[in-house]
Amino acid sequence: EVQLVESGGGLVKPGGSLRLSCVASGFIFTDAWMTWVRQAPGKGLEWIGHIKGIAIGGTTDYSAPVKGRFTISRDDSRNTMYLQMDRLTTEDSAIYYCAPETGRGDYNHWGPGTQVTVSS
Amino acid sequence: DIQMTQSPSSVSASIGDRVTITCRASQPIGVRLAWYQQKPGKAPKILIYAASNLQSGAPSRFSGSGSGTDFLFTINSLQPEDSATYYCQQANSYPRTFGQGTKVEIK
Repeated sequence: EVQLVESGGGLVKPGGSLRLSCVASGFIFTDAWMTWVRQAPGKGLEWIGHIKGIAIGGTTDYSAPVKGRFTISRDDSRNTMYLQMDRLTTEDSAIYYCAPETGRGDYNHWGPGTQVTVSS
Repeated sequence: DIQMTQSPSSVSASIGDRVTITCRASQPIGVRLAWYQQKPGKAPKILIYAASNLQSGAPSRFSGSGSGTDFLFTINSLQPEDSATYYCQQANSYPRTFGQGTKVEIK
C-alpha cells in the first residue's frame, strides 16, 4: 500500500525559512518523480515543483512563484523528499502536499498534507 | 504555461441529477488530462485519467470525455457523497496546472 506522510509545517515569520519532509513507502521510491503541490486557504491546487528519479539525474523543476526561493531534494536511502523554503512570504501560507507522479503525468496517491502559515 | 479554465465555479443540484463540468486548456493537450475530487480537509483524489479513463475504485457514475482543448466531466445520478470540489489538471507539460475548481453542492 502506498503511503505518503508530510511533516515540518508550522508558523514562521515573513522572511523566514522552513524545511518540509515527505516520507514515502509502498512503491519504488528511487524511480519516482516526486512532486510538491500546495493549496492556499480557500484556493485551488498549485503545482510548485518536482524532482526526477536519480537514475535520470534527479533534476528539479519549479514554478515561477517559488523558483529561486524553494529547493527540492531527495534522500533515497530514507525514501524521503524535502522542500527547503526560504524567504517566505504570507503568500506561501498553504497546505503542502507531496505526491509521486504517474507515467501519465497525474497523481493517484497523495499525502494528507502539512500546514505552513507565514505570519508576523 | 498552459492555463486551465473550469466552468462553472459552483453548481447546486439535486440527488439523482446529472452534473457536467467543463475544462478548457489554453493550448492543445491531447488527452493528457485528469480529474480530481477534493473534500474539505482532505487531499485530492483522482477520479479520471487520460481524459476518459475511470480510476480503479472510482464509482462508475463519474465519467470524462474530450481531447485537444475541451473536456467534460460528468456525474451521472448525483449522490450525497459527491458534495465536493472538482479539479481538472493538465499532464501535457510543466508546470502542471490545475483548473480553479468547481464546487458541487447538493440542494
